[in-house]
Amino acid sequence: EAGVTQSPTHLIKTRGQQATLRCSPISGHTSVYWYQQALGLGLQFLLWYDEGEERNRGNFPPRFSGRQFPNYSSELNVNALELEDSALYLCASSLGLGQGVSDTFGSGTRLTVV
Amino acid sequence: DQQVKQNSPSLSVQEGRISILNCDYTNSMFDYFLWYKKYPAEGPTFLISISSIKDKNEDGRFTVFLNKSAKHLSLHIVPSQPGDSAVYFCAASGPNAGNMLTFGGGTRLMVKP
Repeated sequence: EAGVTQSPTHLIKTRGQQATLRCSPISGHTSVYWYQQALGLGLQFLLWYDEGEERNRGNFPPRFSGRQFPNYSSELNVNALELEDSALYLCASSLGLGQGVSDTFGSGTRLTVV
Repeated sequence: DQQVKQNSPSLSVQEGRISILNCDYTNSMFDYFLWYKKYPAEGPTFLISISSIKDKNEDGRFTVFLNKSAKHLSLHIVPSQPGDSAVYFCAASGPNAGNMLTFGGGTRLMVKP
C-alpha cells in the first residue's frame, strides 16, 4: 500500500512569489492535514480537510490556504511568500471523522524562500 | 500558548540503558496521546499511543505512561539502541478535533554505542 506522497520534495521560491505543495493521501483516507515544521521548532498545525471541506485551520495568516479534491488529494498554497515561510511542510492523512487517530505522514516538502 | 510541551530539547543515553522522554500538556480536554519518531528529511513515524482511560501502554521496547492528574506523559525505551537516535515528538488530540494533533517541540535523543 502506497503511503502519503508529497510533491515536490524541495521547492525554492523568491520572496513575494506563490508556492503550491501537493499531497496524496493513503487510499481510503478522506482526511488530510497540513503541518509546518520551521527550523528548530515543532510541528505546527496548518489546515485540516475532510471530504472536500476545510474543517479547521491553525494560527496562520490567510495567505496560507488550500483545497481538497474529489479524489481526496490536497494542495497547500502559500501566497506572498516571506522568508520565515521557509520550513518543512508535512502532510498527513487518516480515515475520516470519528474513525480514530491514525495520522500517517508523508516525507514532506522542504520550502526555501530566498 | 503551547498546549503540549517537551521541556528537554535533547537527551543523550548510553546504548542498552533506558531512555525517558517527557511531555507535559495543559489542555484537560486532550484524551489521546501519541509519540512519533522523526529522522531528518523524513515525515514523523507513529510509535505508540495511549488513551486517557489508561495509564500505561507497552509495545516491545517502548512504553508510554500517562499521569492525568499531573498532565504528564513519558516514553520509556528499554533497552536503547543506536538506531533509536532521532527526534521524538509527543502529540495530543481531543474530542471534536477530528484527528488533528497538537505537537510538542520535540526531544532529540542520541544513543551512544
